[in-house]
Formats: sequence, C-alpha cells, structure tokens
Amino acid sequence: DAMVIQNPRYQVTQFGKPVTLSCSQTLNHNVMYWYQQKSSQAPKLLFHYYDKDFNNEADTPDNFQSRRPNTSFCFLDIRSPGLGDAAMYLCATSRARGLGEQYFGPGTRLTVT
Amino acid sequence: QKEVEQNSGPLSVPEGAIASLNCTYSDRVSQSFFWYRQYSGKSPELIMSIYSNGDKEDGRFTAQLNKASQYVSLLIRDSQPSDSATYLCAVKPARGSTLGRLYFGRGTQLTVWP
Repeated sequence: DAMVIQNPRYQVTQFGKPVTLSCSQTLNHNVMYWYQQKSSQAPKLLFHYYDKDFNNEADTPDNFQSRRPNTSFCFLDIRSPGLGDAAMYLCATSRARGLGEQYFGPGTRLTVT
Repeated sequence: QKEVEQNSGPLSVPEGAIASLNCTYSDRVSQSFFWYRQYSGKSPELIMSIYSNGDKEDGRFTAQLNKASQYVSLLIRDSQPSDSATYLCAVKPARGSTLGRLYFGRGTQLTVWP
C-alpha cells in the first residue's frame, strides 16, 4: 500500500543533543510538509517542499532545518533541542501544491530530557 | 492572519445521535475546506473535503459549507463510540504565497458514549 512512513515513532534526546527525524513516502507526491503538534493544539507548519523548492514558515526557529534529498525522503533536523521542542512531529504529503488534501504519516513523538 | 476557529469542546453525545461540529474561518477568499479526524496519540486522517456551497455526504458524514457566512460544519449521523476523537477543520487559501499550505483549527474533541 502507498503510504507515508516516519522513523522513529518515538525519539528521546537530551537537551542540546542534535536529532534527525525521517519521513519517506511511496505516494510519489510532489509536496512534503513538516508539522509540529503539541498537546491540544493545531498542527503548526514548520516547512514545506514543493518538489525541491523549500518554503520556510516565518516563525520557524533557526534551530529547525530540513532536507529533501529526493522525491521520496525528507528529514527534519533539530540542531539543539530544548525542552519546548518536545512534541509530535508530523510529516505529510500532497500530490500537488494547489491541492489541499494532505496525507499524514504516523508521526514521531519527541521527548527532550 | 488567516484564522480557523473551532469550539474545543468536549462535545459529548450518546451512541446513535447526530454529532454536529462547527468551524468558522476568517479568509473570505478561501476555496477548499477539509475535516481531519485525529485519535488520541495518532496523526490526523483526512475524512472529508468540500469545495462548493451546500452539503456533501459520505456515508455517515456530511460536510456543509456556507461561504457567505464563512462557516463549515461536519455532521456525524448514527454516532459510534469509535467516532470519539478530535476533529480538525482545515482551510486552504485561494492564492498567493500561502498556496501550498493549510490553516488548521485547534480541533473539537468528540466523545460518543455507549
């Protein structure tokens, strides 16, 4: 089945220790998104890629970086995680930029100790 | 600022009842509207999309859109305990640099009790 896969599902890191979250998709979608979601809050868009065109949200901290080496994979790097970065990180895809339907992976729950 | 507002609930209905979830949005030119279901600890799942004024039905779900009132709703008929989840309303802008993104509400938590 075509899907969006995120690894790991749970990640524990220490304060200030860099961490990388990964997302892959078999849907062959052009657009990939990274969201941060904290408890009882709306998903907050961090970045999105339209093919290789990177789009950073204005309020995304510099501590967050992203890479998309090919159509299938996208990575979220948190250079120096703080306690406030503990959240669920969601990867989503969309077939084209003009379409609204987004398909989410299962998410990575990040804990910062 | 494009805002999407939802009553956070919780909304509690008995099994078999109709659950009504509401959403308002601030960007008058928005074109596309979506409902996502999110179970506790899981990721959002797209359940309905609607683009034109009126009703759209899919099984037990009906989405209703009124662009003049900037209002979109989701009705769940014959509610089941398995419908207990948070329902997120999402709106897509019509144009501009924000074309590629959705604006989400904070969600309404629904509980269906047996």
